[in-house]
Amino acid sequence: EAGVAQSPRYKIIEKRQSVAFWCNPISGHATLYWYQQILGQGPKLLIQFQNNGVVDDSQLPKDRFSAERLKGVDSTLKIQPAKLEDSAVYLCASSLRRDRNEKLFFGSGTQLSVL
Amino acid sequence: AQKITQTQPGMFVQEKEAVTLDCTYDTSDQSYGLFWYKQPSSGEMIFLIYQGSYDEQNATEGRYSLNFQKARKSANLVISASQLGDSAMYFCAMREAYNYGQNFVFGPGTRLSVLP
Repeated sequence: EAGVAQSPRYKIIEKRQSVAFWCNPISGHATLYWYQQILGQGPKLLIQFQNNGVVDDSQLPKDRFSAERLKGVDSTLKIQPAKLEDSAVYLCASSLRRDRNEKLFFGSGTQLSVL
Repeated sequence: AQKITQTQPGMFVQEKEAVTLDCTYDTSDQSYGLFWYKQPSSGEMIFLIYQGSYDEQNATEGRYSLNFQKARKSANLVISASQLGDSAMYFCAMREAYNYGQNFVFGPGTRLSVLP
């Protein structure tokens, strides 16, 4: 079974530039999550999708971040314009359902450096 | 308010000894799940163990066990016979069955270092 795919693996940009990350969850997984993990901290949930609908985006800085999951499969997360404090690893995760016993499967993450 | 608290930023343990990593959580739901993940320096998130709120027995998976005390809202991870490869960040996480918002939240993590 293929895992959660993310690209790119690394990205370096200058502040005020834009960047996009891509995620393809495990086939059949209805829920998809984007997390931001700043160095030395736990993952912080940015946005959660159920199929192609947004369940929660309360922690997403909507003035600069956007995300979509067209057709309920793969997803993109965009930052425009980037700030220095956006430097972090962006993790995508998926699960079959949102039941309490469903664990998350994670991708390898995208490490973003904003200079 | 923090839903998951991990009070130990860093822990040291001697190889082959057991270690307990603390986790307390906050929820008003009766139905929830608790998870532990390991994140080595490579960055991947590795699932270790799961405990459901209605499970009466503590979960075990090989060298990992979860000391679940529901009344205290604690879910401590116990690693027996530590190995050098256990050096990593460890995250406690909770999934609430009826919280359609922040559905899967993580704690700040504990960095475990295993000494030879």
